[in-house]
Amino acid sequence: GAVVSQHPSWVICKSGTSVKIECRSLDFQATTMFWYRQFPKQSLMLMATSNEGSKATYEQGVEKDKFLINHASLTLSTLTVTSAHPEDSSFYICSASGTSSPLHFGNGTRLTVT
Amino acid sequence: AQSVTQLDSQVPVFEEAPVELRCNYSSSVSVYLFWYVQYPNQGLQLLLKYLSGSTLVKGINGFEAEFNKSQTSFHLRKPSVHISDTAEYFCAVMRVTGGGNKLTFGTGTQLKVEL
Repeated sequence: GAVVSQHPSWVICKSGTSVKIECRSLDFQATTMFWYRQFPKQSLMLMATSNEGSKATYEQGVEKDKFLINHASLTLSTLTVTSAHPEDSSFYICSASGTSSPLHFGNGTRLTVT
Repeated sequence: AQSVTQLDSQVPVFEEAPVELRCNYSSSVSVYLFWYVQYPNQGLQLLLKYLSGSTLVKGINGFEAEFNKSQTSFHLRKPSVHISDTAEYFCAVMRVTGGGNKLTFGTGTQLKVEL
């Protein structure tokens, strides 16, 4: 079964609203979680790395005030897209790893901003 | 920094034929190598990985890959493909040390298996 659960699997929101995406590790403690963004027919681009209990580290070019990442527990990280715009429409994927667990990916969230 | 090149954006192949998906990488430090498969609107599933040891790595679903250090390649192969293998395949690298488990992905190869 899936060891990383991502929710929701798809979401449609209106421009200007905020959307929260959850990433949960189901049977291991995820000390590190990664958030990726994937445009249609393109590769995955790392947005940020989050370690439990500390601030996320964002990749160059990613707006940290727009993409808020919280990793408050060893099993949950959230990505909030604030004041979403149509250009934020994309496929967002999380992955998680623990000290004794390899990297696992969630099933992704399809965000459509209208 | 590391980079991954997947030269073939699309590979059409007939069912039961062999296939090779190419992957070349560039890195100034030692890396681990991975192949992932992605089905439409889904996350990534690990096919196989090379960490150390034998350069021929066998993975799930009958796939295998060979690490060639001199050519900095990690091509993915399957001797006989099935319709269900139609998907997007990503090659990725991760620094052995100091990378914090970050993956750098190639641009992907769409494998389309036809009858």
